Amino acid sequence: ETGVTQTPRHLVMGMTNKKSLKCEQHLGHNAMYWYKQSAKKPLELMFVYSLEERVENNSVPSRFSPECPNSSHLFLHLHTLQPEDSALYLCASSRVTGVNIQYFGAGTRLSVL
Amino acid sequence: QQQVKQSPQSLIVQKGGISIINCAYENTAFDYFPWYQQFPGKGPALLIAIRPDVSEKKEGRFTISFNKSAKQFSLHIMDSQPGDSATYFCAASQSSGTYKYIFGTGTRLKVLA
Repeated sequence: ETGVTQTPRHLVMGMTNKKSLKCEQHLGHNAMYWYKQSAKKPLELMFVYSLEERVENNSVPSRFSPECPNSSHLFLHLHTLQPEDSALYLCASSRVTGVNIQYFGAGTRLSVL
Repeated sequence: QQQVKQSPQSLIVQKGGISIINCAYENTAFDYFPWYQQFPGKGPALLIAIRPDVSEKKEGRFTISFNKSAKQFSLHIMDSQPGDSATYFCAASQSSGTYKYIFGTGTRLKVLA
């Protein structure tokens, strides 16, 4: 395993639901990332947290709301999603200093009905 | 200028053959070029990476060739094995400041037994 754990692995939700994705890293890293992976598209960086501060928000719709309560945990809160939001959501972590090697979790496969 | 173009989209190789995946970038500020390998149901995992101060890096059967003037880099998998069947992503980033990886669209490799 990579040391980055994501739960749940699969999630089906209706457009009016509210749910949260969780990511936990056991690598002692202090930067964490959310990516969206859709078929035949590059991985899309959504959010970056460095030292628990959000440093990147790539024009992500407000129906996605990240939270980083400490350097080991990252959440993605979801509400009123659209069917086109169905994708694999990947969490990654890295060190802030030195070479930026990102370690990925296995992802949460999200289906929005 | 932030794109990384990856080709081919898919590749079928016989066991023992050489698999070659190519990437091209535009932003000359990029100075770190990792390749990630992703198996079904798993997150991407770092395979090998290179910096532009060298033209080639080899780790076992995997080699990155880097052409700074052409702004291109490629992954060569020698003696390809069925266990290498996966999706491969190239990426580019700046090693300081922004923590952003720009990923290619991925290449799905199938190695026939």
